[in-house]
Amino acid sequence: EAQVTQNPRYLITVTGKKLTVTCSQNMNHEYMSWYRQDPGLGLRQIYYSMNVEVTDKGDVPEGYKVSRKEKRNFPLILESPSPNQTSLYFCASSPGTGSPLLYEQYFGPGTRLTVT
Amino acid sequence: TQLLEQSPQFLSIQEGENLTVYCNSSSVFSSLQWYRQEPGEGPVLLVTVVTGGEVKKLKRLTFQFGDARKDSSLHITAAQPGDTGLYLCAARKGGNKLVFGAGTILRVKS
Repeated sequence: EAQVTQNPRYLITVTGKKLTVTCSQNMNHEYMSWYRQDPGLGLRQIYYSMNVEVTDKGDVPEGYKVSRKEKRNFPLILESPSPNQTSLYFCASSPGTGSPLLYEQYFGPGTRLTVT
Repeated sequence: TQLLEQSPQFLSIQEGENLTVYCNSSSVFSSLQWYRQEPGEGPVLLVTVVTGGEVKKLKRLTFQFGDARKDSSLHITAAQPGDTGLYLCAARKGGNKLVFGAGTILRVKS
């Protein structure tokens, strides 16, 4: 089954404790992206990657890191989480870039992160 | 200020009613997407519109891209409880960044 998986689905942590949220897709997609979703603000792009070893900042990259060592995986790293990073996080992938249809996103199920 | 402004923010209607939600911007986009998100799940793509003035239909859902490619609308005919969810529009913002609107929460009561 074609899908985007994220782990963990739920995470409660404390300020300053490094964490990683994993994301994996099995569709051989080139483009992968991380979003956070907050009430009233919609989805905001954190980082995106157009291919292996190619990553770029979205609109809200501060406090986050990503890497793309393999095509299928795109982990999100919070080196020193803070309470303002409490949010619902989504990973997404799409076939590629260029043609508009190639940007059609397939989303994972989400990771709800709470930082106390 | 959101690059994509969606309205209304919230809509509660009875089963069988028609409705339209809007996605507006002052920017021109090469394409625009609509997604639906149900509670506890990730957004699911409904449609991509590409050409100014384009109309696409998906069963009871009709999507239109404005002639100037700055706005879009989603019309639902005879809404059903299964249409309940958060409707999001999205577009490319310069290069390969993607931007989403804040969404319209639709509740259809039976």
